[in-house]
Amino acid sequence: DGGITQSPKYLFRKEGQNVTLSCEQNLNHDAMYWYRQDPGQGLRLIYYSQIVNDFQKGDIAEGYSVSREKKESFPLTVTSAQKNPTAFYLCASSWTRNTEAFFGQGTRLTVV
Amino acid sequence: GESVGLHLPTLSVQEGDNSIINCAYSNSASDYFIWYKQESGKGPQFIIDIRSNMDKRQGQRVTVLLNKTVKHLSLQIAATQPGDSAVYFCAETLTGGGNKLTFGTGTQLKVEL
Repeated sequence: DGGITQSPKYLFRKEGQNVTLSCEQNLNHDAMYWYRQDPGQGLRLIYYSQIVNDFQKGDIAEGYSVSREKKESFPLTVTSAQKNPTAFYLCASSWTRNTEAFFGQGTRLTVV
Repeated sequence: GESVGLHLPTLSVQEGDNSIINCAYSNSASDYFIWYKQESGKGPQFIIDIRSNMDKRQGQRVTVLLNKTVKHLSLQIAATQPGDSAVYFCAETLTGGGNKLTFGTGTQLKVEL
């Protein structure tokens, strides 16, 4: 089955710890994205990547980091510098030019 | 900055009625628009899209209308069913913008039996 997979579905983190969220796609998409969603809110762009080994900051990149070493993978690290990390994180992928983005099922991160 | 916003945060409709969800966008350069449906605890699912050279596009039970003059987008759902209950987002992007989607806040659609 082709698709985009995020793991884990639920993640708990202690304050001060870094945590990495996984995102893998087998759709052969060039572009991948990370969005953050807070309760009752829309999606805000954290980082995006259009090609391997290249990525750009989105609207709320502070406290996050990413890598794009492989076309299929775009992991997101939530660092201790992110002051309010509890949220629902969504990964997406697409071809690069004006096409729909396909979303994973999300990772719910809770800081305890 | 540019933004996409929705007029109605919550919409309640009777089963079988038609639903209309509205969206306003402010970036006149945007040339591609998408409607997504998001069920609780899940990722958004593509419903329908429209490009700026079109005014209307129809899918199965759904129609999207684009009015570029007033920068307005709407999603019409015919014969609304309980399974249509979800949050609906519109998103916009523009050619050359890296396909970055800008999302609105969303509208909660509630279908009453």
